[in-house]
Amino acid sequence: EADIYQTPRYLVIGTGKKITLECSQTMGHDKMYWYQQDPGMELHLIHYSYGVNSTEKGDLSSESTVSRIRTEHFPLTLESARPSHTSQYLCASSEGRGGGETQYFGPGTRLLVL
Amino acid sequence: GQNIDQPTEMTATEGAIVQINCTYQTSGFNGLFWYQQHAGEAPTFLSYNVLDGLEEKGRFSSFLSRSKGYSYLLLKELQMKDSASYLCAVTLRGGYQKVTFGIGTKLQVIP
Repeated sequence: EADIYQTPRYLVIGTGKKITLECSQTMGHDKMYWYQQDPGMELHLIHYSYGVNSTEKGDLSSESTVSRIRTEHFPLTLESARPSHTSQYLCASSEGRGGGETQYFGPGTRLLVL
Repeated sequence: GQNIDQPTEMTATEGAIVQINCTYQTSGFNGLFWYQQHAGEAPTFLSYNVLDGLEEKGRFSSFLSRSKGYSYLLLKELQMKDSASYLCAVTLRGGYQKVTFGIGTKLQVIP
């Protein structure tokens, strides 16, 4: 059973607001990921991290930023939310011992920007 | 880039067997995941194939042919709770685990 948490689960916010989506895992995993998924569409990787102080952009360009100051914590920030940011954001982690290890997903944050 | 193809929707009857296919074209292929995702929920891990052949895990089995760029997920003795999207995802060789997901196959199990 994976222990990866995301807060908030649901967020409705106005345009221009700054928001931070939290993601924490208690498994000691080195690698963490953020995906964006629109309803009925595939997951798109927007950020990933190999470990503390390591962050990289994913395949899908995103205006969000991430930080990895602690192993267990990988928050995602939008400085100025826009309606185009409305989506589901999924955080995941994996052990990081090489190619192929399973990614464990958090429950996701559904974001609606008005 | 990577290209992953799977049917968008399938319907099957409770108690039956269904096979969900996935084809991929990618460079630096390492392995292939299958995930299950119920509506509004996060994906959960089903299987991971690196070598050619069939791997069985209870009612679910997954097959991989690296030379053909082809995989399938086989679900036996279908239950209503199996109604979900099934995501095919490929991993690439490299210093990090880069995973590319397909759009998913939405399976509806009917009585």
